[in-house]
Amino acid sequence: AQSVTQLDSQVPVFEEAPVELRCNYSSSVSVYLFWYVQYPNQGLQLLLKYLSGSTLVESINGFEAEFNKSQTSFHLRKPSVHISDTAEYFCAASDSGAGSYQLTFGKGTKLSVIP
Amino acid sequence: DTEVTQTPKHLVMGMTNKKSLKCEQHMGHRAMYWYKQKAKKPPELMFVYSYEKLSINESVPSRFSPECPNSSLLNLHLHALQPEDSALYLCASSPGGFPGGNYNEQFFGPGTRLTVL
Repeated sequence: AQSVTQLDSQVPVFEEAPVELRCNYSSSVSVYLFWYVQYPNQGLQLLLKYLSGSTLVESINGFEAEFNKSQTSFHLRKPSVHISDTAEYFCAASDSGAGSYQLTFGKGTKLSVIP
Repeated sequence: DTEVTQTPKHLVMGMTNKKSLKCEQHMGHRAMYWYKQKAKKPPELMFVYSYEKLSINESVPSRFSPECPNSSLLNLHLHALQPEDSALYLCASSPGGFPGGNYNEQFFGPGTRLTVL
């Protein structure tokens, strides 16, 4: 099973500044990677995913993440954050084998955007 | 319909009460999940249903009883809960069942905020 490390528990950033939320996973086998966002008092929403193919994946609201196999990382970036991006962000990983059900979450990173 | 719905949104119950949480999806997904999430923590997996059968029970106490009446519906029956069971309960579904199906991303519902007094 995978393990996922989110290196920063809290990231404060000023509005319109760039941000990077870091995520590292453990396993050397094939892996699926996800970023989920959770706004206060809400469920988890899938932000973006890497299953295969291009190592750079993008979301519709300006976030992107790059799968780096050599560094076992899947960092989330946004060039200019907005107040509405304030939320908890969870990185998650799963083995890519057929029948693999387990989604392993990191501990989360609280992004606080300062006006 | 591309979402997972959960009812109720909020639930307050006493330790002697019996209540149920409901989860529904109409995306034709073959796997459904229950998670428990405490404040400032990631979700913890409780149960997994695949093709309407219980596949995984992550050593959850028997005061939590899952049920999958059909492929679109997942219930979680609650009885004799403890105050430490207060949490956000999240339901999720994914397209592929297992064994045999390919894993795909999990789609989460908005959750039920449970408070046990």
